[in-house]
Amino acid sequence: QKEVEQNSGPLSVPEGAIASLNCTYSDRGSQSFFWYRQYSGKSPELIMFIYSNGDKEDGRFTAQLNKASQYVSLLIRDSQPSDSATYLCAVSGSARQLTFGSGTQLTVLP
Amino acid sequence: NAGVMQNPRHLVRRRGQEARLRCSPMKGHSHVYWYRQLPEEGLKFMVYLQKENIIDESGMPKERFSAEFPKEGPSILRIQQVVRGDSAAYFCASSPPASGGIGEQFFGPGTRLTVL
Repeated sequence: QKEVEQNSGPLSVPEGAIASLNCTYSDRGSQSFFWYRQYSGKSPELIMFIYSNGDKEDGRFTAQLNKASQYVSLLIRDSQPSDSATYLCAVSGSARQLTFGSGTQLTVLP
Repeated sequence: NAGVMQNPRHLVRRRGQEARLRCSPMKGHSHVYWYRQLPEEGLKFMVYLQKENIIDESGMPKERFSAEFPKEGPSILRIQQVVRGDSAAYFCASSPPASGGIGEQFFGPGTRLTVL
């Protein structure tokens, strides 16, 4: 059974700090990796995706992928209170369906 | 540039009634996925459809649940004889055609189903 594991948190960081969110996955056949942000009572919003080993940067966000270790992370630089949300790691393979982790709740303290 | 649309946004049903949830994908997207989020739980895949085809229904409960994506009109997730355990947020996502991309999925606002 495919599993995606995330630290449930909550994770608290001060405003302006770097928030680091981690995710591991069990299926070595996984091909694409996604980070979604979900505010309470809202739908998931795609932040980034990555499918090659290494880093991918987009603004304040950096996704990191290490397929050998089956590990994905998301770094949020210069964290803002508006970044406070639940961050969902999702993984897909050839089947295209997404398998989600349980999410990490992030709070950025002003 | 409309995103994924779902309706209704909130739906209240009594036990034993039927629930119909609708989803219109983003313009240019031909793949539709349904996910369920139970209270205090993660998102779980239910079904993946293309026009007039169910591609993968491995996450659908065996009874009472069905889905379709007709040639014309929105995708429909149908729940017959609802029970209280069906109360959840149901999200639809869509993605562009497979060729040339990894098929990133964009989510609609969801339908919050409450079964009394």
